[in-house]
Amino acid sequence: DAKTTQPNSMESNEEEPVHLPCNHSTISGTDYIHWYRQLPSQGPEYVIHGLTSNVNNRMASLAIAEDRKSSTLILHRATLRDAAVYYCILTLGNAGNMLTFGGGTRLMVKP
Amino acid sequence: GAVVSQHPSWVICKSGTSVKIECRSLDFQATTMFWYRQFPKQSLMLMATSNEGSKATYEQGVEKDKFLINHASLTLSTLTVTSAHPEDSSFYICSARDPGQAEDTQYFGPGTRLTVL
Repeated sequence: DAKTTQPNSMESNEEEPVHLPCNHSTISGTDYIHWYRQLPSQGPEYVIHGLTSNVNNRMASLAIAEDRKSSTLILHRATLRDAAVYYCILTLGNAGNMLTFGGGTRLMVKP
Repeated sequence: GAVVSQHPSWVICKSGTSVKIECRSLDFQATTMFWYRQFPKQSLMLMATSNEGSKATYEQGVEKDKFLINHASLTLSTLTVTSAHPEDSSFYICSARDPGQAEDTQYFGPGTRLTVL
C-alpha cells in the first residue's frame, strides 16, 4: 500500500482557515486520496476524497498537487467541533478495498 | 449520507464470557463490512473484512476462532468476541461500503467500547 505522511498535530484558532498537509510521494496513478476524521470516542467520519482535481464539499476542500505527491485538506473556518484526528488515506478505488489508517494529524482548535 | 449503527455502544463483561457486537447499515445494503479495533491513543487497526454470505477475511495476527464474524444479511454484520480477556478491552468500530457511493468511501459506526474485567 502506498504510504502517507502527516504531521502529528496542528493548532488552529477558531474561525480561521486550517490547512492540513499530507505527503504521499509513492502514490500510483490509480490511487484515490481520501480524508476521514475521528472525533473523540467516535467512529471515523468521511470528509472528502479526490483523484487529480481539487474537490469541494460542504465540509472542506481538497487541494491536490499537480504531481499528486501531496495534498492539503482545507477547513475554511475552523470551529471547536472540528477538533479531531484527521486521516489521509490512499485507496485503489476498487470495490471493497480496505482503508489503512496511519497516525493522522490531531487538530486542536483554540477559542 | 449513509448511516451505520452499532450496538451496544459500550459493554462491560467478566473475563471468560463472550460478547456480541452488531453493525447495521441503516439506509443502504452493504455487501462488504469491515471491523476495526482501536486501543487508547492509537490508530484504527483493521481486524477483518466481512462479506455477505461468505466467510470473513482476517488480517494477519487476528484469531478467527476468537473473533467470530457473521454477515448473514446485506444490512447486518456481527462480531463475537469469545472468551474475552482484559487484553481484549478496546474500542471496536465497524464500517460499510455503500455500493452506490464513491470509490472506496466507507461509512463508520459510532463504535463499541468493550471493557473486560
